[in-house]
Amino acid sequence: QKEVEQNSGPLSVPEGAIASLNCTYSDRGSQSFFWYRQYSGKSPELIMSIYSNGDKEDGRFTAQLNKASQYVSLLIRDSQPSDSATYLCAVNMIADSSYKLIFGSGTRLLVRP
Amino acid sequence: NAGVTQTPKFRILKIGQSMTLQCTQDMNHNYMYWYRQDPGMGLKLIYYSVGAGITDKGEVPNGYNVSRSTTEDFPLRLELAAPSQTSVYFCASSYSPGFTEAFFGQGTRLTVV
Repeated sequence: QKEVEQNSGPLSVPEGAIASLNCTYSDRGSQSFFWYRQYSGKSPELIMSIYSNGDKEDGRFTAQLNKASQYVSLLIRDSQPSDSATYLCAVNMIADSSYKLIFGSGTRLLVRP
Repeated sequence: NAGVTQTPKFRILKIGQSMTLQCTQDMNHNYMYWYRQDPGMGLKLIYYSVGAGITDKGEVPNGYNVSRSTTEDFPLRLELAAPSQTSVYFCASSYSPGFTEAFFGQGTRLTVV
């Protein structure tokens, strides 16, 4: 079982729609979760972090965390063509007395004008 | 605002050659990471470091070595390059791994022929 799993996509949505991206993780002890956006040929950049169960909103983005189900999601409201990118879910996993930041394989999002 | 700096940006190696990918950060971050990203895939953790003198293996460490003699620098060494090591390599750093974001360098595109 992969430590962090995402559907590879592409997920195609029309402009103005809600895009829903999902991620599951294997380590029940994980405490912090991140969503990164990566444009083609560029480095990943952080768009959301979430640490406790429930929803966290920032502008058009909402992250949702359910630790019991080991599930993290990202909602993008009013999707824009500029949101077309690969979205990477990342989980901080405990390794002995330190942490390691593990990424999923990413979901490619296409927003159609 | 240098952040995380990687050199070189591009490199072509012949099979069996060796090289060092350089990574330096000026944010006084304790944690540093090396990832590789194959085309259309997510990030795979190669090695990470929790501070000067301390390193640990990630998901795909075979064929690589690292050292961390200072807080600022975290070089990645490839010995006996193989075509399977053709990838984009990203270095990242974070102040504390659990609750702060990881900042990424611009990446090194490596081709082994």
